[in-house]
Amino acid sequence: RKEVEQDPGPFNVPEGATVAFNCTYSNSASQSFFWYRQDCRKEPKLLMSVYSSGNEDGRFTAQLNRASQYISLLIRDSKLSDSATYLCVVNNGNKLVFGAGTILRVKS
Amino acid sequence: DGGITQSPKYLFRKEGQNVTLSCEQNLNHDAMYWYRQDPGQGLRLIYYSQIVNDFQKGDIAEGYSVSREKKESFPLTVTSAQKNPTAFYLCASSTWGQTSGRSWGEQFFGPGTRLTVL
Repeated sequence: RKEVEQDPGPFNVPEGATVAFNCTYSNSASQSFFWYRQDCRKEPKLLMSVYSSGNEDGRFTAQLNRASQYISLLIRDSKLSDSATYLCVVNNGNKLVFGAGTILRVKS
Repeated sequence: DGGITQSPKYLFRKEGQNVTLSCEQNLNHDAMYWYRQDPGQGLRLIYYSQIVNDFQKGDIAEGYSVSREKKESFPLTVTSAQKNPTAFYLCASSTWGQTSGRSWGEQFFGPGTRLTVL
C-alpha cells in the first residue's frame, strides 16, 4: 500500500462547479498535512496547510479526519485557473511524503 | 526577491557522464532537499540537508551525490551509476528546528531541472 494515495483523476468540471478530492495516508503517526498545487511542467506550490481539524481559505476548504486517516480538499466556484494537479502531502515525522496528485480540468 | 533558483532548466546528458544540477536559495532557510519526479508518480526524496556540511540520504539516493558547503547552495550530482536518470529534478528549502515548529512542512520549491539522458 502506498503511504499517500490519491485518485489520479482527471476530474473534468464546468466553471462554477464544486469539486472535492480525497487523499488517504497509511501512517497513523503523521503529524501535519498539506495540499500543494502543481501546474503543468512547473514546480509544486503550497496551497494550504492542514494542522488541526481543517481550515478554509477563500474558495478552498481542507478537512482532516485522523480516525479514518484521510484528508480532503474542496474547491467551490471552480475557475479556469484552478486547472492543475493537486498534491496531497503528509509529514510523518521524519520526511514529507507526496501523493502522485489529482488532475483537475475546469472547462468553460 | 527571495526565492530558490535552479539551473539549468533543461539538461541533456550522454550515458556514462556525470552532471551537476545547481540549486541556490536566498530565503535564509536551514534545510534543503532534492526530489525527483517521474510521470504519474509523487515526488521522491533523494537527499536532504539540515545544516551546512551535513546531509542525509533520502529514499532513492543511489547514483546521486550532494554537498552543502554553504547555507545558500545545495548542488546535486547525477552520476553514471544512476540507472534511469531521465526525470524532473526539484530542489526545495524550508526552515528547520524548534523555532519553526514545522520542521518538515511548507517547503518552497525551485523551478526544476529537466534532465534527459540521450
